Amino acid sequence: DAMVIQNPRYQVTQFGKPVTLSCSQTLNHNVMYWYQQKSSQAPKLLFHYYDKDFNNEADTPDNFQSRRPNTSFCFLDIRSPGLGDAAMYLCATSRDEGPKVNEQFFGPGTRLTVL
Amino acid sequence: DQQVKQNSPSLSVQEGRISILNCDYTNSMFDYFLWYKKYPAEGPTFLISISSIKDKNEDGRFTVFLNKSAKHLSLHIVPSQPGDSAVYFCAASEFGNEKLTFGTGTRLTIIP
Repeated sequence: DAMVIQNPRYQVTQFGKPVTLSCSQTLNHNVMYWYQQKSSQAPKLLFHYYDKDFNNEADTPDNFQSRRPNTSFCFLDIRSPGLGDAAMYLCATSRDEGPKVNEQFFGPGTRLTVL
Repeated sequence: DQQVKQNSPSLSVQEGRISILNCDYTNSMFDYFLWYKKYPAEGPTFLISISSIKDKNEDGRFTVFLNKSAKHLSLHIVPSQPGDSAVYFCAASEFGNEKLTFGTGTRLTIIP
């Protein structure tokens, strides 16, 4: 089945210790997104890739970086996690053309705990 | 500045009855609207969408209504089933922009 996969599902890190979350997709979609979702809040877009073109949201902290080495994979790097970065991180993909271009497909998420 | 609002954090409905989830938006540039369903420990899954050129879209038990003048949309589920118990997110996008703006979600509980 075509899908969006996120690893790990649960990640525990220490305050200030860099952490990398990964996302892969078998849908062959050109667009990939990273969202942060805190409890009882809306998913918040951090950045997205339109193919290899990186688009950062204006309010995404510099502490968050991303890499997309190829169409299938995308990584979220948190350089120095703070307690406020504890959240669910969601990866999503979408087509870049056609009638359903706005329909995003989500992975199961990675829950990040910062100690 | 929350452009997409779901004012009911939770809703309980008897099995077999109609569930109505509401969503309001403030950005008049939004022209495409989606509903996502999320179970615990899973990512959101797409449920149904509607373009601003329509006022209704139906897919099986799910119907989305759009009232552009009121900047309001609603999701109707009928009849409600226990498997419909989940968090429902409303989302919106502007024409030519692939980004989605999400609401905070409504937790729907179907009571057997």
